[in-house]
Amino acid sequence: AQSVTQPDIHITVSEGASLELRCNYSYGATPYLFWYVQSPGQGLQLLLKYFSGDTLVQGIKGFEAEFKRSQSSFNLRKPSVHWSDAAEYFCAVGATGGFKTIFGAGTRLFVKA
Amino acid sequence: EPEVTQTPSHQVTQMGQEVILRCVPISNHLYFYWYRQILGQKVEFLVSFYNNEISEKSEIFDDQFSVERPDGSNFTLKIRSTKLEDSAMYFCASSKDRAEEKLFFGSGTQLSVL
Repeated sequence: AQSVTQPDIHITVSEGASLELRCNYSYGATPYLFWYVQSPGQGLQLLLKYFSGDTLVQGIKGFEAEFKRSQSSFNLRKPSVHWSDAAEYFCAVGATGGFKTIFGAGTRLFVKA
Repeated sequence: EPEVTQTPSHQVTQMGQEVILRCVPISNHLYFYWYRQILGQKVEFLVSFYNNEISEKSEIFDDQFSVERPDGSNFTLKIRSTKLEDSAMYFCASSKDRAEEKLFFGSGTQLSVL
């Protein structure tokens, strides 16, 4: 069965510092991988997705993620964090030909001045 | 960018009452979904809907839940007899294609069961 693990419940970084949020997935075939962001009181916004091809994918707001099959990981990175990036980040996996997307438990990002 | 809209944004109900959560998916999308997020917990899949029928559902989606597309634009989630543990944020989503396409999420309906 598909599953997603986000090992860090929350992370605090200083504004301007780099960020990496970890995500590990479990799936038998090549998964479709997503990162979503949720600001307080808001819905879920797609940051980026990986379906196939180049394993380094670029997303909105300066985020990128790298798919590493050997590590079953899809970590999210940003070189310089802004205060407005403070939010909850969800990694998700979708099955080929499937109807549902499975979400990780989320990582809450705090940004300090 | 087109949006998925959900109404109401907040719903308070008494235990045992029926509630209907409403969603207007993006107009050219064919796949519709409900997810929920209990406070502090992960986003959980409830059900997917395609071609006027349920295509997949989770173990959470028991007989108390039902979905309907009553007309060409609305997609509803009904909870027949609410329980305290149904309190959560309910998200509607739609997509043009299955998991191959991104899900567009609404901003959610916060359901509080008292």
